[in-house]
Amino acid sequence: EAGVAQSPRYKIIEKRQSVAFWCNPISGHATLYWYQQILGQGPKLLIQFQNNGVVDDSQLPKDRFSAERLKGVDSTLKIQPAKLEDSAVYLCASSSLQGNSPLHFGNGTRLTVT
Amino acid sequence: GENVEQHPSTLSVQEGDSAVIKCTYSDSASNYFPWYKQELGKRPQLIIDIRSNVGEKKDQRIAVTLNKTAKHFSLHITETQPEDSAVYFCAASRGSQGNLIFGKGTKLSVKP
Repeated sequence: EAGVAQSPRYKIIEKRQSVAFWCNPISGHATLYWYQQILGQGPKLLIQFQNNGVVDDSQLPKDRFSAERLKGVDSTLKIQPAKLEDSAVYLCASSSLQGNSPLHFGNGTRLTVT
Repeated sequence: GENVEQHPSTLSVQEGDSAVIKCTYSDSASNYFPWYKQELGKRPQLIIDIRSNVGEKKDQRIAVTLNKTAKHFSLHITETQPEDSAVYFCAASRGSQGNLIFGKGTKLSVKP
């Protein structure tokens, strides 16, 4: 089966600019997650979708981050405006069940904000 | 809020030795505990998981133990090999049906 696809692989932007990341989950996986992984730390959940609905966005900095999954398949995560502390790897993951099931991660997008 | 603590942050062992990584969690409702391996520049990949109705699970050289009373779980790797070198993350479910909270990771180095 094809894995979770993410693009771009790398992105370098200046602070205050905007950026968008794209994710296509494993076919048939209803649950999609965006995680932020700062260098040397574990992944931190930003947002969880079940189909096209938001299940948990409690840790999403909503003043600058937004995400959507309009058709319940692929998803985009946007940052506007970016700050230096947003430099991280943004990982998309999907799972076949809403909870207590393995996450399948994409390769991530490495964002550098200068 | 919910939290997962992971120790040690770095671990160096000789090839053939065993490695043990320990995690504690705070949410007594957590009932799913996976372990992920992340090689440099790559995606985290699931290596083993355990659910709260099981105390121990083994898969070849890898085993995980869970103590629900003490709210801690551990990863055991026996007969380590250089290709086991990576960062290992533990995670616990947020509540009984929630998403995963990850530990900060353990960088394991296996010296040949």
